[in-house]
Amino acid sequence: AQTVTQSQPEMSVQEAETVTLSCTYDTSENNYYLFWYKQPPSRQMILVIRQEAYKQQNATENRFSVNFQKAAKSFSLKISDSQLGDTAMYFCASSSETSYDKVIFGPGTSLSVIP
Amino acid sequence: DARVTQTPRHKVTEMGQEVTMRCQPILGHNTVFWYRQTMMQGLELLAYFRNRAPLDDSGMPKDRFSAEMPDATLATLKIQPSEPRDSAVYFCASGLGTGTYEQYFGPGTRLTVT
Repeated sequence: AQTVTQSQPEMSVQEAETVTLSCTYDTSENNYYLFWYKQPPSRQMILVIRQEAYKQQNATENRFSVNFQKAAKSFSLKISDSQLGDTAMYFCASSSETSYDKVIFGPGTSLSVIP
Repeated sequence: DARVTQTPRHKVTEMGQEVTMRCQPILGHNTVFWYRQTMMQGLELLAYFRNRAPLDDSGMPKDRFSAEMPDATLATLKIQPSEPRDSAVYFCASGLGTGTYEQYFGPGTRLTVT
């Protein structure tokens, strides 16, 4: 069974600084997708970034980038130039090769950006 | 822009009452998911559909929960009878079921059962 672990329940960062959120996962599959979702106080879940496991190059989306270490089953999210609007819960998630539709979510990390 | 819609946004009901939550997926999406989010359990997948057919409802308490897709534009999640432990935020999400398998979430229904 797939599992996703986020070991940091809460984090904070000063505005304009860089922060890294950790995520580890466990799967026996060779091919899968990994995601980071953001849930601001509005409750709306928003996809931030995705990574395909067979791609070695780390995904980037503007100020958001990932460090994907397939052998270590690690998938961390780096947020550069943090902004107040980045304050949210961040969920790491993965899907399996055999059931790409079924996404397993981690417990989340609450990030606060301090002015 | 296209988005998933959910109604109602908030629902307060008494224990034992029936609750029906509705979801309109993004037009053209063929997969629909129901999630429940609580502080204790986090985000749990309750059930999902592909092309209106239920694929997996193993996360759903069978005795009181039911999920259906009467047509491609409507998904429903029903709780009967409701219990205080059902209090949570219920999210609907939809996806294309191909490509990157990205899911688009609705705004959620906050359910409070007293």
